[in-house]
Amino acid sequence: SQQGEEDPQALSIQEGENATMNCSYKTSINNLQWYRQNSGRGLVHLILIRSNEREKHSGRLRVTLDTSKKSSSLLITASRAADTASYFCATNSGYSTLTFGKGTMLLVSP
Amino acid sequence: DAGITQSPRHKVTETGTPVTLRCHQTENHRYMYWYRQDPGHGLRLIHYSYGVKDTDKGEVSDGYSVSRSKTEDFLLTLESATSSQTSVYFCAIRDQTGVNSPLHFGNGTRLTVT
Repeated sequence: SQQGEEDPQALSIQEGENATMNCSYKTSINNLQWYRQNSGRGLVHLILIRSNEREKHSGRLRVTLDTSKKSSSLLITASRAADTASYFCATNSGYSTLTFGKGTMLLVSP
Repeated sequence: DAGITQSPRHKVTETGTPVTLRCHQTENHRYMYWYRQDPGHGLRLIHYSYGVKDTDKGEVSDGYSVSRSKTEDFLLTLESATSSQTSVYFCAIRDQTGVNSPLHFGNGTRLTVT
């Protein structure tokens, strides 16, 4: 069963706009991770936030985590056409495995 | 791609035939994983390995077996392929520094079972 569920399923924006996608999960976690997948490629790790952190930044990425609501958000600022991809959240609940959501497809138009 | 090679990249096979997919890493990482990706389901874990000869089942392990006889190789076998196993299969690796280390993925194998 899926642990994380991303919302929205698809998002279409213009270059320069910000993109926000959300992830909800069901059980307690050690950390939550975000990955990007370009068409026809494997997933690439973007950022990890631990359960005792509330916000984390990496370049144009900002991730927040609210463990009381069991939710996380990924903000991509000043989007570029190259940001077009699917984005997945994944949760680690203290074991060796990660459980992935179904992903958000982001389309950034020039 | 973090030194991960999946082979073959594409395969078409017939129902009932055995199929083996290979994942090879050059990173000497302890953990290796097989996921399948299907529309509407995201990525689902099939099997994983936490060392040579040490493997465990994931969420969707029925119809699949794995073997890891060397650190660098993790094989996924479909014992008798079915059409429901048509999917894109991803291998991933993770080092042994702990649960806060990320996964690194290969570029996938697209398998079609006719």
